[in-house]
Amino acid sequence: GAVVSQHPSWVICKSGTSVKIECRSLDFQATTMFWYRQFPKQSLMLMATSNEGSKATYEQGVEKDKFLINHASLTLSTLTVTSAHPEDSSFYICSPPAGKKGYTFGSGTRLTVV
Amino acid sequence: GENVEQHPSTLSVQEGDSAVIKCTYSDSASNYFPWYKQELGKRPQLIIDIRSNVGEKKDQRIAVTLNKTAKHFSLHITETQPEDSAVYFCAASTGNQFYFGTGTSLTVIP
Repeated sequence: GAVVSQHPSWVICKSGTSVKIECRSLDFQATTMFWYRQFPKQSLMLMATSNEGSKATYEQGVEKDKFLINHASLTLSTLTVTSAHPEDSSFYICSPPAGKKGYTFGSGTRLTVV
Repeated sequence: GENVEQHPSTLSVQEGDSAVIKCTYSDSASNYFPWYKQELGKRPQLIIDIRSNVGEKKDQRIAVTLNKTAKHFSLHITETQPEDSAVYFCAASTGNQFYFGTGTSLTVIP
């Protein structure tokens, strides 16, 4: 499948600070990137979709002002959790649409807000 | 949008027995159905997948079946081992985003 690099793999931050998560496509160009989050003991849920050249689209219940998504280039999508709070602690993972190289996920980022 | 349901939420089996996890989906346009195994603190790992033009696929002790008419697909693990203990997620996709089931926590008792 396609190769997606996501980092950091884990991060601990203080309440009120912001954290940026990067997702890079290494061997293909992605005009779209899906961002999922997984709360402890729950399933993965789509939270937003980044689109190169246009605004991200957010799923119902996801605060767009809190989760800033930027599709900076055809190989980079970022998710910034602004003013993070403990309830934002979660596992965040990116995934491009299926392409010629198949389906893939980033390695995931475990965010812990203390 | 797509709605994926997964059952059971927890499953305990004796080592050596079989485990079956079932999922249903709602969008007839979904054409790709992967199964993921997730160990604690790690990202989901693809263990097997099936596309809508195939009814069954097997890989050693793991098999997946798909019934497009009924819109359901199942994961079968035979000769279970303690290392099979994990959370398993099914998913459905039309080629864009994934819709995940709610997960099944499988415990294999030695």
